Amino acid sequence: QLQLQESGPGLVKSSETLSLTCSVSGGSISRSNYYWGWIRQPPGKGLEWIGSIYYSGNTNYNPSLKSRVTMSVDTSKNQFSLTLNSVTAADTAVYYCAFETRRHYYRWFGPWGLGALVTVSS
Amino acid sequence: DILMTQSPSSLSASIGDRVTITCRASQDIGTYLNWYQQRPGEAPRLLIYATSDLQSGVPSRFSGGGSGTDFTLTISSLQPEDFATYYCQQSFNNIVEFGQGTKVE
Repeated sequence: QLQLQESGPGLVKSSETLSLTCSVSGGSISRSNYYWGWIRQPPGKGLEWIGSIYYSGNTNYNPSLKSRVTMSVDTSKNQFSLTLNSVTAADTAVYYCAFETRRHYYRWFGPWGLGALVTVSS
Repeated sequence: DILMTQSPSSLSASIGDRVTITCRASQDIGTYLNWYQQRPGEAPRLLIYATSDLQSGVPSRFSGGGSGTDFTLTISSLQPEDFATYYCQQSFNNIVEFGQGTKVE
């Protein structure tokens, strides 16, 4: 049973870089056809997909965030990571990591981590 | 971008009610549509994938249907643990997009 857990600073200053790591247990991050995603949720609002990554390093980002997002995988630690540059208050959100299943063009997420609240302060 | 619009934004229902939530895509997305449940303070949970396939462990009172631009999530008999917010999600054009959510209260 896959389990995911986010970790990282809960407070980031405006204009700086947000960095989060997702630790995966119960399965190998480098297994074939396993994809990994980041989704965020501003307080009281809906879900926004940030991007996804394959263990090989292939990425797929939300065009609205692409210029500021970088994702990476560390297979030795069974972890994947998110960095978001030049953050503003609008980036304040709960950040979730999730396992992504892909079958042809079908893509869905589950299980999810518990989420990590990141607040951007001025 | 494909716009995903859920209706209603919220609804009031009682235990035992049949509840239907609609998700409309701004263009044809085939059956590339999934549904999630999010209880307060919890992470989202996958309910249905590929429009109508029930995720393992999800009660059979949940069902999904539709194709093209119009999709539905139905709860046949609402239970206390079903009071939550529900999101649809599409992946037709290699960009993942969520609906704005429907709160069942």
